[in-house]
Parts: sequence; C-alpha cells; structure tokens
Amino acid sequence: EIVLTQSPGTLSLSPGERGTLSCRASQSVSSSSLAWYQQKPGQSPRLLIYGASSRATGVPDRFTGSGSGTDFTLTISRLEPEDFAVYYCQQYSSSPWTFGQGTKVEIK
Amino acid sequence: QVQMQESGPGLVKSSETLSLTCTVSGGSVSSGSYYWSWIRQPPGKGLEWIGDVHDSGSTNHNPSLNGRGTITVDTSKNQFSLNLSSVTAADTAVYYCAKTVTLSEDAFDIWGQGTMVSVSS
Repeated sequence: EIVLTQSPGTLSLSPGERGTLSCRASQSVSSSSLAWYQQKPGQSPRLLIYGASSRATGVPDRFTGSGSGTDFTLTISRLEPEDFAVYYCQQYSSSPWTFGQGTKVEIK
Repeated sequence: QVQMQESGPGLVKSSETLSLTCTVSGGSVSSGSYYWSWIRQPPGKGLEWIGDVHDSGSTNHNPSLNGRGTITVDTSKNQFSLNLSSVTAADTAVYYCAKTVTLSEDAFDIWGQGTMVSVSS
C-alpha cells in the first residue's frame, strides 16, 4: 500500500502567517489522486482539496494544493483563527486508499 | 445537499460482530454516481479507510482487516452497512460513513458525524 508521510507533525504559527504542509508518498500517486482534509476536535473531517489542486465546494481561496508524483503541499496563505486544526492528506491512486498521520496547526 | 448519519451500538463485546448502518438523505445511494465508504479513527489517532460499496453491489475492502469486514447496500432503505466480525480492542474507534466526490475522484466530500464504538472484553 502507499504510505503517506506528513511533515511537520506540528506547525506553530500566528494568525496572518503563511502555513506550508507537506505530504510525501512512498510511491508515485497517479493522476494527482490526492486530497487534503481539515479536522477540528470532535468534528468529522472536511474535504478541502481533491485532485491535488481542486478546491472543494465552499473552501476559501487561501487554501491551495499543489504537487505531483510523490510530493504534495497544502498552503494556507494567511491563517485565520478558524484554520487551527489537524490536516490530513489522502491518496486514492492505489487501493487501499490511505491517509497521512496528520499535521497539527496550532496557535503560536 | 446529501447528508449521512451513522447508527449502531456504541458498545460491542470482544470476538463479536460490530454492525453499523449509514442512512443517506438528500440524495440516493442508487444514483450510481458515487462510492459509499466507511472510515474509522481510533481515539487520538489518524484515519483508516475500511472499504466502500457501489449501488451495483460491488465492494472494495482494506486488506488490513483480514477479511473481517463486509459492506452492503440497501437501496430500498437508502442505506449502506458495515459488519466487522471478531472484533478486538483494536477496533475501538469513531466510525464514519462518507461518499466520494465522483466515481473517479475517490476523495470524500460528505461525511456523517461519526459514531463511537467501543469494544469491551
């Protein structure tokens, strides 16, 4: 199965700062079949990005996905207070679909 | 707008079978346009895809479950279900149902609120 490794484990930032989250795959993810989710405590995950770079419905344009092959990035251009959460990447290139272990974005 | 709601017992005894149902509203599991999935999250940990079903009845399961998982769809009730046999404490988790964006984009755009299932000895 494809193993996804997210870095860093925790990202400490202040509101207004730029956040860059990384997701590296153990083998190539074809057709950019990669998604990003945001999860807040006690809530279900929320889809942010699919197809590596397509924003889901209603997602603000401060969230940008990029990358291909084995290296993918989620960029949050300017952190809003509601953006502090855990972020997961997921690949759907090769079954079983797998998730990264998550990056926690916390308030510095 | 599609909504999804999980239901089932919150406590299951070790070695028994965990059974959950996801009821879909605002849309039809018979649309043929999506895969309907189960995903779980142990307390304080990450997400694990369990498997999915299409309204045609075709399924995919995560091999990590060693054949213990069965996912079925009931189009007459607009529901799909998960049975997980021979459970152990390692199966304690929040279980989510979710749908894919499309048949070719297997990202999950709609999720249920999740249901916590604990396995007791």
